[in-house]
Amino acid sequence: AQTVTQSQPEMSVQEAETVTLSCTYDTSESNYYLFWYKQPPSRQMILVIRQEAYKQQNATENRFSVNFQKAAKSFSLKISDSQLGDTAMYFCAFMKYNNNDMRFGAGTRLTVKP
Amino acid sequence: DTGVSQDPRHKITKRGQNVTFRCDPISEHNRLYWYRQTLGQGPEFLTYFQNEAQLEKSRLLSDRFSAERPKGSFSTLEIQRTEQGDSAMYLCASSGPTSAEQYFGPGTRLTVT
Repeated sequence: AQTVTQSQPEMSVQEAETVTLSCTYDTSESNYYLFWYKQPPSRQMILVIRQEAYKQQNATENRFSVNFQKAAKSFSLKISDSQLGDTAMYFCAFMKYNNNDMRFGAGTRLTVKP
Repeated sequence: DTGVSQDPRHKITKRGQNVTFRCDPISEHNRLYWYRQTLGQGPEFLTYFQNEAQLEKSRLLSDRFSAERPKGSFSTLEIQRTEQGDSAMYLCASSGPTSAEQYFGPGTRLTVT
């Protein structure tokens, strides 16, 4: 079974600084997707970034980028130039190709301080 | 289209009562998912529809839970004989035929007293 581990329950960062959220996963699959979702307080889950396992190049979306280490089964999220609106729960998620059972980690609560 | 919608947003019920939630996916999305999220945890997969067919069900989905998507558009999730352990946020998500990304609704928060 696939498991996703987020070892940092809470993190904080000063506005405009950079923060990295960690995620590791366990799988025997070679083809899969990895995602980071953001869930602001009392608001719905929003996709931040996605990575396909066969792609060696790390995904980037504006201020958000990932460090995907397939051999180490690691998928960290870097947020640059943190903004107050980045305050949220961040969930790492895994999904096998041709499968629809997305597995989520327990989340990291990020607080951006002014 | 404004995204995935869910109704109601909040539901308080007494133990033993039945409840039904509705999810309206993004209109062109043929795949629909239900998840359950308890406080401080990530969402847990419950079930998946492709069009009107329910193709996957988690072991978390006990006999008291049933989901339908009769016309391949909206979906309902019913919980019979609710228990206090059913208290959670129930999330719906949808995705298109060629996309891996799932788009989530705002959720229905269920409180069983």
